[in-house]
Amino acid sequence: ELKVEQNPLFLSMQEGKNYTIYCNYSTTSDRLYWYRQDPGKSLESLFVLLSNGAVKQEGRLMASLDTKARLSTLHITAAVHDLSATYFCAVVSPWSAGYALNFGKGTSLLVTP
Amino acid sequence: IAGITQAPTSQILAAGRRMTLRCTQDMRHNAMYWYRQDLGLGLRLIHYSNTAGTTGKGEVPDGYSVSRANTDDFPLTLASAVPSQTSVYFCASSPGGVNTEAFFGQGTRLTVV
Repeated sequence: ELKVEQNPLFLSMQEGKNYTIYCNYSTTSDRLYWYRQDPGKSLESLFVLLSNGAVKQEGRLMASLDTKARLSTLHITAAVHDLSATYFCAVVSPWSAGYALNFGKGTSLLVTP
Repeated sequence: IAGITQAPTSQILAAGRRMTLRCTQDMRHNAMYWYRQDLGLGLRLIHYSNTAGTTGKGEVPDGYSVSRANTDDFPLTLASAVPSQTSVYFCASSPGGVNTEAFFGQGTRLTVV
């Protein structure tokens, strides 16, 4: 059974600081996704990482994937309040009748002045 | 606007009652999914369907059933609701196969009393 672990689960950081969220997964997969969820809202796709060494950047967020280490990181540069949200990583896994995403528990990020 | 529509957006349900959560997508995606989101547990897969006419059980299928009579619709039924099914339910879809980038509906907040 594929396990996806994120850490930290809660993160409070000051505006302007940098930080990294980690996503480890337990079995081989070469496809990983990052999602953002605002309070009371749905999930929005942020990044799709399709191969070992993949790196994607959007604004102050950068995601990377190391399939050999089974690790993805989401790096936040010079955080701003608008980045406050919950961030999920998700990994493709095969189920008995097809594929589906397994999600980590999420990292709740609060950016304070 | 293309996307996924869930109904209802919220519901309070008496224990023991039967309830169907509706989900419709107009993106012509082959795969559809139901997840439940609970505080501290992230998103857990209930059932999925990789193509019309087929369904599979996810991580937490007990007490739920699904059908996939056509490409667009993927209803989730609670045969006899229990308080532990109080949750936020998200329907999602993806193009299918290994392309599992999932797009989410707005969610249904269900309270079983």
